[in-house]
This record gives sequence, C-alpha cells and structure tokens, in this order.
Amino acid sequence: GEDVEQSLFLSVREGDSSVINCTYTDSSSTYLYWYKQEPGAGLQLLTYIFSNMDMKQDQRLTVLLNKKDKHLSLRIADTQTGDSAIYFCAEMALSGGSYIPTFGRGTSLIVHP
Amino acid sequence: GAVVSQHPSRVICKSGTSVKIECRSLDFQATTMFWYRQFPKKSLMLMATSNEGSKATYEQGVEKDKFLINHASLTLSTLTVTSAHPEDSSFYICSARDLLAGGSDTQYFGPGTRLTVL
Repeated sequence: GEDVEQSLFLSVREGDSSVINCTYTDSSSTYLYWYKQEPGAGLQLLTYIFSNMDMKQDQRLTVLLNKKDKHLSLRIADTQTGDSAIYFCAEMALSGGSYIPTFGRGTSLIVHP
Repeated sequence: GAVVSQHPSRVICKSGTSVKIECRSLDFQATTMFWYRQFPKKSLMLMATSNEGSKATYEQGVEKDKFLINHASLTLSTLTVTSAHPEDSSFYICSARDLLAGGSDTQYFGPGTRLTVL
C-alpha cells in the first residue's frame, strides 16, 4: 500500500518555530491534511492543502507542499506549550473509485520552556 | 467548523458482550464516514468506509462479522463490536467526510471511544 512517513519526535523551545515534515508516495493525492491529537483526545483537523497548491498560511500555521518530491511540511510559528501534541499528516487519494485517507504515524511535538 | 460526535467516549465491557459506538455529524450531512482504530504508538488504521444506505467497505484483515457497521442516515454511523475480547480493547475513532461548497473535501474526526474489554 501507499505510505505516509513522518519523523516520530520533535522538541523545540517555546517561542521558536517548529517544522514537522511528511513524505507521501501516492502521486494521485488530492488533498493533504495536518491533524493534531492532544493527549486523550481525538484528532482535530488543523489545516489542509489541495494538491495544486504549494503553500497555505493560516495564522501561525504555514503548510508547504512540494509535489515533485511528495513532501509536505507544517510550520508552527512562535510555538507555545499548548502546541505540544501529536501531529498527523494524511493524504487523501483515489483508490478503487473512493477517496481513501492514509495517515502517517504521527510526530510528537514537545515544547519546553 | 464541522463537528462530529461519538458516543460513548469510554466503555468498559465484559468479554463476550457486544458494544455499539455511535458517530454523528452534527452540522452537516455525511454520505461517507470512516472508522479507524488507533493502536498504541502507531498511526490510525482505517477499518472500514461506511456509505449511507449501502454496505460498508472493509479493509483487508478487518472481520466484517465482528465489526458491524451501519450507516442508516446521513448523520449517523454505528460500529458494533460483537463478542468483544480483550484484544479488541483500543481507541476507536470515526470521521465524517464533508463535501463543502466550492469543491473542497475534508474529513472531520470524532473525539474517539476508548473501549476496554475485561
């Protein structure tokens, strides 16, 4: 099957920028997503980008998409302790006539003072 | 933003009993809902795709007779874990697909249900 890969851990100092990277393999991906999972909670959609875009900015979040390299990144500016969570990258690709999501394993972001 | 609810949020049951988990889209109609299972330290694994008014499509390795999915309306899908065993203990998450005006397509996730089978 298709794979979505992310690094498992990222540690940053409060106030710095965080960059979480993701690679995917399915070139037919239509949408790519970033989800946030806080401890004990379900996933929350943070942002998404359509595959024909290369950048999307939403307040402190910037998503960059390099479709040629199948590389997606999420930049969080001025990272706060409340940003500590697991961040999942996901792609939505057409498979057998249906759009099927594939998730990465998640990147644990740890923000320390 | 769109809201998806799950009920119950946490359930403990005895081995051999059945448990039903509900997934509701609260402010949009979802023709497609997805059920995931999250394993410790691993990503979400898609169990099945639930389409309103038709049979669910199960991923390889998921027992359809054990994990019964019903999507009877545009706002409700249910997952029933039949004859539950301790190895079924997990965090189950549903998501609902929202086809927004303008062509964007995204999923909204429920808060998850923690199932513990004793």
